[in-house]
Amino acid sequence: DAGITQSPRHKVTETGTPVTLRCHQTENHRYMYWYRQDPGHGLRLIHYSYGVKDTDKGEVSDGYSVSRSKTEDFLLTLESATSSQTSVYFCAAGEGGGYTFGSGTRLTVV
Amino acid sequence: AQTVTQSQPEMSVQEAETVTLSCTYDTSESDYYLFWYKQPPSRQMILVIRQEAYKQQNATENRFSVNFQKAAKSFSLKISDSQLGDAAMYFCAYNAGNNRKLIWGLGTSLAVNP
Repeated sequence: DAGITQSPRHKVTETGTPVTLRCHQTENHRYMYWYRQDPGHGLRLIHYSYGVKDTDKGEVSDGYSVSRSKTEDFLLTLESATSSQTSVYFCAAGEGGGYTFGSGTRLTVV
Repeated sequence: AQTVTQSQPEMSVQEAETVTLSCTYDTSESDYYLFWYKQPPSRQMILVIRQEAYKQQNATENRFSVNFQKAAKSFSLKISDSQLGDAAMYFCAYNAGNNRKLIWGLGTSLAVNP
């Protein structure tokens, strides 16, 4: 079983619609993260969680919200998708920097 | 502010040769961790190697080794006997011991020529 599973792997959505990306871990990590990856910007942290119902903002959190109702699941929601949110989104889990990553979700907002 | 700089956006190496990727960082912390991650075309992010700042010995994982120069704040990755499967984007990352968020470099794209 993969340690981190993201769904969907690809998604195309229209501007203004809400979108939820899912991340599921089987490794029982307390910390989980959502990143976006864009050319020229590397990986930027959107939100992270340090426990069930405990979340905090990263460097690019505007327009995004997260929820963590169970240790294994971390959801990222784009409240009203915009073209600037077209990106590849990665979920990661772990402590101390040695993270396990999911395979990423390529999101296109048209 | 802590920063990570990878000064080589692109590099190439011949198969079976050795290549070194550069990374410098800025921090006032004395206890921290450094990482190299690999991202092949499949998009999967893979941890290659990690280094604890308090350890003087350079970390090694098979063909991958680092040259950690703490005073110079330098953390280079050496790939020996390069293979076609090593072609990927390589990211350097920093984590302060008391902070669980990673600071990332912008990456170096490595091509391996047959």
